[in-house]
Amino acid sequence: DTGVSQDPRHKITKRGQNVTFRCDPISEHNRLYWYRQTLGQGPEFLTYFQNEAQLEKSRLLSDRFSAERPKGSFSTLEIQRTEQGDSAMYLCASSRVSVLSATDTQYFGPGTRLTVL
Amino acid sequence: AQSVSQHNHHVILSEAASLELGCNYSYGGTVNLFWYVQYPGQHLQLLLKYFSGDPLVKGIKGFEAEFIKSKFSFNLRKPSVQWSDTAEYFCAVNPASGGSYIPTFGRGTSLIVHP
Repeated sequence: DTGVSQDPRHKITKRGQNVTFRCDPISEHNRLYWYRQTLGQGPEFLTYFQNEAQLEKSRLLSDRFSAERPKGSFSTLEIQRTEQGDSAMYLCASSRVSVLSATDTQYFGPGTRLTVL
Repeated sequence: AQSVSQHNHHVILSEAASLELGCNYSYGGTVNLFWYVQYPGQHLQLLLKYFSGDPLVKGIKGFEAEFIKSKFSFNLRKPSVQWSDTAEYFCAVNPASGGSYIPTFGRGTSLIVHP
């Protein structure tokens, strides 16, 4: 168990550029979550996947945000045409749920800190 | 829509003092409840969780929390804090049944423990 990993850890970009972040969940975890965290606030849920299916995406902040998990393993979060307000920490978490155990304990990665200039 | 309220945004204590951090939530259905901790420079770690059964749950490092369903509360306690407990503490709620599955976190409580 190597934990949830995220790449890159830091990203500085200019306004208007596109950025993509990657998350590798704990192996055998079937759920993967994306959150955004700004200074002084708790994590804000964006979206989540169960295997490759994106089951909830109503909280993605705008149509500039999109996420994929094509093979049910790693996931990417893309922000198009970045704005200064997108500057934040983007967190990924994973969990394992099953028919026998619907309880959902999330394990978080270290996050990707995005700075938009 | 569900929400989580953490009443204390900043708490400063001396070592050996007792700690209680408040957490209230609003949600019409069954919930799973969590406390996470984030030590300086580290990522979020699970402190304890409640899914069902005994409403008093014990977590790591001597922390415990009590779920009071009638008050929609899940307060975190520790009888005697240590300098190493200095961290940010987050309460979180996950719906356990029905509706949209949207985990919700409180805004966090910053705890500083003076040696």
